[in-house]
Amino acid sequence: AQSVAQPEDQVNVAEGNPLTVKCTYSVSGNPYLFWYVQYPNRGLQFLLKYITGDNLVKGSYGFEAEFNKSQTSFHLKKPSALVSDSALYFCAVRDWGDKIIFGKGTRLHILP
Amino acid sequence: NAGVMQNPRHLVRRRGQEARLRCSPMKGHSHVYWYRQLPEEGLKFMVYLQKENIIDESGMPKERFSAEFPKEGPSILRIQQVVRGDSAAYFCASSPKTASTQETQYFGPGTRLLVL
Repeated sequence: AQSVAQPEDQVNVAEGNPLTVKCTYSVSGNPYLFWYVQYPNRGLQFLLKYITGDNLVKGSYGFEAEFNKSQTSFHLKKPSALVSDSALYFCAVRDWGDKIIFGKGTRLHILP
Repeated sequence: NAGVMQNPRHLVRRRGQEARLRCSPMKGHSHVYWYRQLPEEGLKFMVYLQKENIIDESGMPKERFSAEFPKEGPSILRIQQVVRGDSAAYFCASSPKTASTQETQYFGPGTRLLVL
């Protein structure tokens, strides 16, 4: 079965610094990987996805993610963090039958 | 183009009552997915529906839960005889008619169910 792991429950970053939110995956076949963000009491917003092609995927709000096949990772990155980036971030993988398998989430705190 | 709509946004029920959660997919989308998020946890898949068909219900509890997506109208997630453990946020997502593993699922704002 497909799965993703987010090893950090929480990440704290100072405003203006680069941020990384980690995700590793375990899949059979080609991985279809996603990042979603959830703001308090809101639904999930799609940030970006990797299907095939370039290993560096650019998404919404200045975020990008790097697909690394040898390390089975799909870390989310942003060069300069904003306080408004504080939210809950989910890595996800598309499973057979089209359902999405989510990681448990990483809470990102951007410190002013 | 309106996004995925869910109502109600908040629902309070007493133990033993029924809860009905509605989801209207994005315009042009005919694939609907329901997920449940327990407090401080990620989302868990429940069911995948197309118009008038249940495609995958592998994540649905065997009892008390049912889902439908009629030819006309919203998709409905129905929970009968609710218990406190049903308290959670229920999210609906939709994807286009040509859904495949490459299509993105777009999520609604969720319905937060509280069972007293």
